[in-house]
Amino acid sequence: EPEVTQTPSHQVTQMGQEVILRCVPISNHLYFYWYRQILGQKVEFLVSFYNNEISEKSEIFDDQFSVERPDGSNFTLKIRSTKLEDSAMYFCASDAAGYNQPQHFGDGTRLSIL
Amino acid sequence: GENVEQHPSTLSVQEGDSAVIKCTYSDSASNYFPWYKQELGKRPQLIIDIRSNVGEKKDQRIAVTLNKTAKHFSLHITETQPEDSAVYFCAVPRGSTLGRLYFGRGTQLTVWP
Repeated sequence: EPEVTQTPSHQVTQMGQEVILRCVPISNHLYFYWYRQILGQKVEFLVSFYNNEISEKSEIFDDQFSVERPDGSNFTLKIRSTKLEDSAMYFCASDAAGYNQPQHFGDGTRLSIL
Repeated sequence: GENVEQHPSTLSVQEGDSAVIKCTYSDSASNYFPWYKQELGKRPQLIIDIRSNVGEKKDQRIAVTLNKTAKHFSLHITETQPEDSAVYFCAVPRGSTLGRLYFGRGTQLTVWP
C-alpha cells in the first residue's frame, strides 16, 4: 500500500536556525497538508497546498513558515527562525481529491529546538 | 472554525469488553467524519470514516455511528484486544473547506488483558 514518507524522523536544531522538513506524498494525490502535534496534545492543522499554491493556512502558520513543492514528488515545510515552542511532531498528509477524502499521514518528523 | 469535542479523554476496559468514544461538532455543513488511531510515537492511522448519507458503518470489530441532527458521531470497538490500546482521534472538516481537518483532543484507550 502506498505511503506518505517523511524525512528526517528526528531533527534537533538550535533556536534561531532554519529547518526544512521533507515529505513525499502518495504519488497520485493532489492535496497536501502539514499538521503539528505538541507532545500529549491534539493534532493541529498548519497549511494545505494544491496546484502549487497554499489553499488555506491556520493562525499558527505565520511568516516564519513556508511550504514548497520543489519538484514533482517532494513537499517541504520550512521554518525560517525556529523558536522553542516550535518543538513538536510535524506530520505531512495527502489525499486524492481534497474535499471529504481520506487523508493519509506520514510517520512524522520530531522537531526538537534547543 | 469547527469546534470538536471528544469524550472521554481516557478509557480503560477489560479485554473482550466494548469501548465507545463520542465526538460532537459544531458545523452542520460538515459531512465527512474520520477516526484515527495513533500508537505511541507513530502516525495517525485512518481506521474508519463515514459520510453523512449513512447513519452507521461497520468494519469487523469497529463501527462508527452518526447522528447529523444532534451533530455527534461515535466510534464503537467490540471484543477489544490489548493491541487496540492507543490514542483515538476523531476529526471533522469545516464545511466546504478543502480538506482541513479539525481534530478532537483524543481518547487514550487502554485494554487490560
